[in-house]
Amino acid sequence: KNQVEQSPQSLIILEGKNCTLQCNYTVSPFSNLRWYKQDTGRGPVSLTIMTFSENTKSNGRYTATLDADTKQSSLHITASQLSDSASYICVVSANRDDKIIFGKGTRLHILP
Amino acid sequence: GAVVSQHPSRVICKSGTSVKIECRSLDFQATTMFWYRQFPKQSLMLMATSNEGSKATYEQGVEKDKFLINHASLTLSTLTVTSAHPEDSSFYICSARGAGKEKLFFGSGTQLSVL
Repeated sequence: KNQVEQSPQSLIILEGKNCTLQCNYTVSPFSNLRWYKQDTGRGPVSLTIMTFSENTKSNGRYTATLDADTKQSSLHITASQLSDSASYICVVSANRDDKIIFGKGTRLHILP
Repeated sequence: GAVVSQHPSRVICKSGTSVKIECRSLDFQATTMFWYRQFPKQSLMLMATSNEGSKATYEQGVEKDKFLINHASLTLSTLTVTSAHPEDSSFYICSARGAGKEKLFFGSGTQLSVL
């Protein structure tokens, strides 16, 4: 069964600190993996997209990694800011049936 | 700038009325559009998938006669909540995917409140 599991479910850190969010998936055959940021009451905004051959991709203070062998991805946030408080969603696409599978997200709270 | 435009952003309606939500892809052709609903602090829940020119495929438990989806062109899909009831109050989000399947963008969402 195609699944995307994210951890932790929620995370609280102080402003300026770094953090790493995890995404494990069982989607096969794998097409691509995306990380989105969703602010409360808004639609998700794309941060990164990675295909099978890509190991890492950065977008400003956001760096995503992908290990296609272990089917794991991480999103690292550097020097967190208050505006980083949001839900971060991992989304994996499957090649065969065109399915898009969502993780339940990690709710990140940045404290001043 | 936004590549998927969703309107309205917020709507309040009386119970029993119908509400239409529009989702437009602005600078690419969206061969597939998805509609989701999201309750507070919950994850996105896929309601239906629509391909341009064909009938939408609804997820299990989603009433197709209540949530009418039209995808008449490669840039526009609409979701109509018919005979809305308070339990339909939710945050509705669309997303659009291009033919190359690399592009997957979300609208900004519509907060529906049914009184």
